[in-house]
Amino acid sequence: AQSVTQPDIHITVSEGASLELRCNYSYGATPYLFWYVQSPGQGLQLLLKYFSGDTLVQGIKGFEAEFKRSQSSFNLRKPSVHWSDAAEYFCAVGAEYGNKLVFGAGTILRVKS
Amino acid sequence: DADVTQTPRNRITKTGKRIMLECSQTKGHDRMYWYRQDPGLGLRLIYYSFDVKDINKGEISDGYSVSRQAQAKFSLSLESAIPNQTALYFCATSDSDRGAGNEQFFGPGTRLTVL
Repeated sequence: AQSVTQPDIHITVSEGASLELRCNYSYGATPYLFWYVQSPGQGLQLLLKYFSGDTLVQGIKGFEAEFKRSQSSFNLRKPSVHWSDAAEYFCAVGAEYGNKLVFGAGTILRVKS
Repeated sequence: DADVTQTPRNRITKTGKRIMLECSQTKGHDRMYWYRQDPGLGLRLIYYSFDVKDINKGEISDGYSVSRQAQAKFSLSLESAIPNQTALYFCATSDSDRGAGNEQFFGPGTRLTVL
């Protein structure tokens, strides 16, 4: 069965600084990988997803993520964080022939001015 | 109008009461899901439905039941609410052509408090 670990519960960065949120997954075959963002009081919105092909994936709001099979990782990055990026971020993994997503515990991002 | 709506948005109830949370979608998706979110635990799947006649238990289905009244409607019931069911509940929908590879679209959530 697949699983997801997000090692950082909270991260604080200064506005304008770069950001990297970590995600490690466990799954025996090629996974589907997702990053979702949850702004305060909102539902979850998809930032980006990886299925196959190019291991560097571009998403909305200037985010990107890199799939590294050797490290079982799918870390989310942004070169310059804006105050509006403060939110909770979830990594999720799905099996290629399965039917469900498994979510990580989430990372809460705080942005200081 | 929002594609995935949930009612109510907030609910406070007492232990032992029966509660129904409702979800409607206008995306035309076959698949619908109910999750609960607890701090530090992320989202955990309660039930999911791939069509009106196909309902499946998720990771944490004990104490919950569901009804898929139509393609567009999926309700979650707590037959006898208990305090540890206090959580944020999300409904989600997805298309079916990529299995678990389809993006899930989430409703705004229902914050349930059981006293």
